[in-house]
Amino acid sequence: DADVTQTPRNRITKTGKRIMLECSQTKGHDRMYWYRQDPGLGLRLIYYSFDVKDINKGEISDGYSVSRQAQAKFSLSLESAIPNQTALYFCATQLQTSNQPQHFGDGTRLSIL
Amino acid sequence: DAKTTQPPSMDCAEGRAANLPCNHSTISGNEYVYWYRQIHSQGPQYIIHGLKNNETNEMASLIITEDRKSSTLILPHATLRDTAVYYCIVRESKGYTGNQFYFGTGTSLTVIP
Repeated sequence: DADVTQTPRNRITKTGKRIMLECSQTKGHDRMYWYRQDPGLGLRLIYYSFDVKDINKGEISDGYSVSRQAQAKFSLSLESAIPNQTALYFCATQLQTSNQPQHFGDGTRLSIL
Repeated sequence: DAKTTQPPSMDCAEGRAANLPCNHSTISGNEYVYWYRQIHSQGPQYIIHGLKNNETNEMASLIITEDRKSSTLILPHATLRDTAVYYCIVRESKGYTGNQFYFGTGTSLTVIP
């Protein structure tokens, strides 16, 4: 979805480095999500937020942290990157009404050496 | 959330209708059926969703059986650009639960010239 922008699109870094992935949206949605996808597997939820400063852990939150300081932005941090965090990361947004679909950005491909 | 079963792969001739099945025999009354697709490693693209009634939009039609135990996504005139992995997701719409969209392995659709 062109209204959900992820930066950077690609990143290669070394073990132990701190990394931040950014997500911004112009859809005006309250809810935002971070997922990771590993080759051949489905998406797994890392963190989600229903409003500014609201933070909730997902299925695989260990090793990650997030920040939601504005409605339009949701950032994901890896405090000390490790190789098994190499994956494709997606941000998604959703209207407050729960049965509405989530809309995904084009992803960040992260490689940790 | 109910589990879904999809065939791992399908082929479809260009210009013909692509009918992608999904079984969700354990679906409960307040669970919606969503369809997404993912082209290469791009972000999942929302296609359509429904609860009980058949739905149609500019991309596709969703046919849900009367007992809601299965559904079919129909792409009426498949093009080469419809080659992608298609995911059927069943998800409950209830407050703070059901926040995650569980993407399984989906159906890899190949549109053949």
